[in-house]
Amino acid sequence: SQTIHQWPATLVQPVGSPLSLECTVEGTSNPNLYWYRQAAGRGLQLLFYSVGIGQISSEVPQNLSASRPQDRQFILSSKKLLLSDSGFYLCAWSKTGQPGANVLTFGAGSRLTVL
Amino acid sequence: AQSVSQHNHHVILSEAASLELGCNYSYGGTVNLFWYVQYPGQHLQLLLKYFSGDPLVKGIKGFEAEFIKSKFSFNLRKPSVQWSDTAEYFCAVGSPNFGNEKLTFGTGTRLTIIP
Repeated sequence: SQTIHQWPATLVQPVGSPLSLECTVEGTSNPNLYWYRQAAGRGLQLLFYSVGIGQISSEVPQNLSASRPQDRQFILSSKKLLLSDSGFYLCAWSKTGQPGANVLTFGAGSRLTVL
Repeated sequence: AQSVSQHNHHVILSEAASLELGCNYSYGGTVNLFWYVQYPGQHLQLLLKYFSGDPLVKGIKGFEAEFIKSKFSFNLRKPSVQWSDTAEYFCAVGSPNFGNEKLTFGTGTRLTIIP
């Protein structure tokens, strides 16, 4: 069966420091991978998605970047964190092709607090 | 761009009451529709989905949703709620016309069931 791992679960970082959140998927190959940010009252905002190694699509301009160095690994990064980067970040995966590409399986999330 | 509206931000019900959570989307083409649920302390998970066919779809734990194309709606229902249904519920829409990988979420509805 497929599993998705996301870490760290909780992170407190000072403004201006770098960020690296990691996500890996097991039990499948060539998944679509996603980073969402969940904010209270604002739902889930799609930040990045990837359909393959090295292929990253950004949905909103921001202080963050994503990379996919391996088929089942997705990394969310920042060189210098801002206060506004605080939030709950969710990694997700889906199968390729319609309609399976729309059925997401989410990780446990990473709560980032920038002070 | 497509959007999803969930007009009920917080719903409070007593056990055994009937539930209907509203969801409206803005896209007029072919859509895939979803309800995701996040129980306290748990991962976001799929509750039910609609791809095609019978517009009344049934999900886990006695939930159902009806796709009404003319109203651009996909409301979630349950005839008799239980305390364990306390959670946050998210409606989402995807379409092959958006790009296979993109899923747009609503802002969520927090459901509190009073024993």
